[in-house]
Amino acid sequence: DIKMTQSPSSLSASVGDRVTLTCRASQDISRYLNWYQQKPGEVPKLLIYAASRLQSGVPSRFSGTGSETFFTLTISSLQPEDFATYYCQQSYNVRTFGPGTKVEIK
Amino acid sequence: QVQLVESGGGLVKPGESLRLSCAASGFSISDHYIHWIRQAPGRGLEWISYISGRGDNTNYADSVRGRFTISRDNAKNSLFLHLESVRAEDTAIYYCAREGDTDAYFFFDSWGRGTLVVVSS
Repeated sequence: DIKMTQSPSSLSASVGDRVTLTCRASQDISRYLNWYQQKPGEVPKLLIYAASRLQSGVPSRFSGTGSETFFTLTISSLQPEDFATYYCQQSYNVRTFGPGTKVEIK
Repeated sequence: QVQLVESGGGLVKPGESLRLSCAASGFSISDHYIHWIRQAPGRGLEWISYISGRGDNTNYADSVRGRFTISRDNAKNSLFLHLESVRAEDTAIYYCAREGDTDAYFFFDSWGRGTLVVVSS
């Protein structure tokens, strides 16, 4: 199975900061990489699919890049509602998730 | 409106069985792969199983293979996850999720709110 890793596991940031989260795959997954946001007590929400395509309705401050084994999710200007845990997930073969990055308020 | 509603969770003793259900509305499950994903308390997301639209293709995570069985009833637009020989580490919220796709890129575009399974003696 493909193993996904994410870094950092958590970070503290302020409103307005530019934040970049990383995700690595244990093998080449092309661009079969998705990003989800999950707030406490809520269901995960799809943000980005195919590494860089913004899901409908997701604010444009979210962007994704990467291919093969290295991917990033960037929030250009952190908003209060963005404090959450972010998961990457590969859809190259049997699905796996990364362990998540928790974005907390500084 | 696409909706998935899980049910069937509860408190179960180690070694016992349980059946979870996922009722879909607003779309036909025969048109999509549907997955079960779980989340242990305070932990991350773990994919555990999928079933194809026709029900002829299934797969499981190693952690549940041989103990869990996924199935579907297209006439009722519902799917199921049968848990057997449950263990403490199976304690989690169990979500069903629809897999959508665009240009052959696959992603989970709709999730139910989940049903909590607690395994404890």
